Amino acid sequence: AQSVTQPDIHITVSEGASLELRCNYSYGATPYLFWYVQSPGQGLQLLLKYFSGDTLVQGIKGFEAEFKRSQSSFNLRKPSVHWSDAAEYFCAVLNSGGSNYKLTFGKGTLLTVNP
Amino acid sequence: NAGVMQNPRHLVRRRGQEARLRCSPMKGHSHVYWYRQLPEEGLKFMVYLQKENIIDESGMPKERFSAEFPKEGPSILRIQQVVRGDSAAYFCASSPDRYTQYFGPGTRLTVL
Repeated sequence: AQSVTQPDIHITVSEGASLELRCNYSYGATPYLFWYVQSPGQGLQLLLKYFSGDTLVQGIKGFEAEFKRSQSSFNLRKPSVHWSDAAEYFCAVLNSGGSNYKLTFGKGTLLTVNP
Repeated sequence: NAGVMQNPRHLVRRRGQEARLRCSPMKGHSHVYWYRQLPEEGLKFMVYLQKENIIDESGMPKERFSAEFPKEGPSILRIQQVVRGDSAAYFCASSPDRYTQYFGPGTRLTVL
């Protein structure tokens, strides 16, 4: 069965610093990968997705992610963090095929941004 | 284009009552999914529906939970005889193509 691991439960960075959130997946076929962000009490907003092609994908709010098949990773990066980026970030893999099109999520990484 | 709509945003029920959660997908989206978020378990898939059909309900508890997506109107997630363990955030997502899912703001269910 597919799985997603986000090794860091909580990360704290200073505003203006760079950010990398880690994500490792386990999936037999070519994965469809996603990053979502959730602010407190809110729903999930799609940041970016990878289906195929260029392994470096650009998303909204200045985020990017790199797919590395050899490492089964899909890490999220941002060169300069803003205070408004404080939220919880979820990596997900789509179980596709047959009648199954459900997302499997990691446990999430909570990002705190210090002024 | 309006996003995925869910209502109510907050719902309080007493043990044994019924909870009905509604989801209106984005315009043009025919695929609807329900997920549940529990503090210790994270986000878990419950059910995938298309109009008038349940495609995959492998994540739904076998008892008390049901879902529908009628030809007209919103998708409904129904929980009968709620218990305290049903307290959670319930998210609906919709998709135009089964691949990219867009989430609503969620319904926070509290069972007293």
